[in-house]
Amino acid sequence: DAGVIQSPRHEVTEMGQEVTLRCKPISGHNSLFWYRQTMMRGLELLIYFNNNVPIDDSGMPEDRFSAKMPNASFSTLKIQPSEPRDSAVYFCASSFSGGNQPQHFGDGTRLSIL
Amino acid sequence: EDQVTQSPEALRLQEGESSSLNCSYTVSGLRGLFWYRQDPGKGPEFLFTLYSAGEEKEKERLKATLTKKESFLHITAPKPEDSATYLCAVQGGTSYGKLTFGQGTILTVHP
Repeated sequence: DAGVIQSPRHEVTEMGQEVTLRCKPISGHNSLFWYRQTMMRGLELLIYFNNNVPIDDSGMPEDRFSAKMPNASFSTLKIQPSEPRDSAVYFCASSFSGGNQPQHFGDGTRLSIL
Repeated sequence: EDQVTQSPEALRLQEGESSSLNCSYTVSGLRGLFWYRQDPGKGPEFLFTLYSAGEEKEKERLKATLTKKESFLHITAPKPEDSATYLCAVQGGTSYGKLTFGQGTILTVHP
C-alpha cells in the first residue's frame, strides 16, 4: 500500500526565495498534519486539516508560512520569503479522523535555506 | 499544556541485553499514547497505541506498557536492527487530533 508521499525529498534554496512542499496523504485518510523537526525543538505540529479544512494552525511560526489542502489527496506548505532559520525537516502525516487514530508519516522534506 | 519527557536521551546496549525506555507525560484527559520508531532519513514509523492505564501491547521484541503517568517500551534481547530513535507522543482530551511528541531516545544496539 502506498504510504504518505512527500516531495521534494531535499530542497536547497537561497534566503528570500519561495519554497513549496507537497504532500499526498494515504488514500481514505481524512486528517492531514504538517510537522517540522529540528534537533533543538524536536517534532512540532505546524497545522492540521480535517476533511480538507484547517482546524488548528496555532503552530505556524509566522505569516511567512501558509498551508492549503485543495482536495483530499493533496496538500502544500509554502514559505515565502524563506529564511535560514526555516531550515529543518518537514513531515506530512495523515490519519483517519476520530481523535485517537495513529498518524502515518511520510519520509519528509529536508529543507536548507542558505 | 500537554508535556512529554523521554529518558534516557541515548541508550547503548549489547545485542541480547534487554532494557526499557521511559516516557513520562502530563496531559488533560489522555486519548492515546503513541510509540513511533524513526530511522535516519526517514519519517516516524507507527508502532503502538495505548489508551488506558494497565494496557500492554507487543510486537516482536518490543512491549509497551502504560500507567497513569508514564509508559515504558521494553526491548527484549535486542538486535542491531532495533537501533533507531524511539519517539513517544500523547494526545490529550482537549487537543483533538494533535500529538505532542517527546524528544526521543536514541537506541544503539552493538553486535
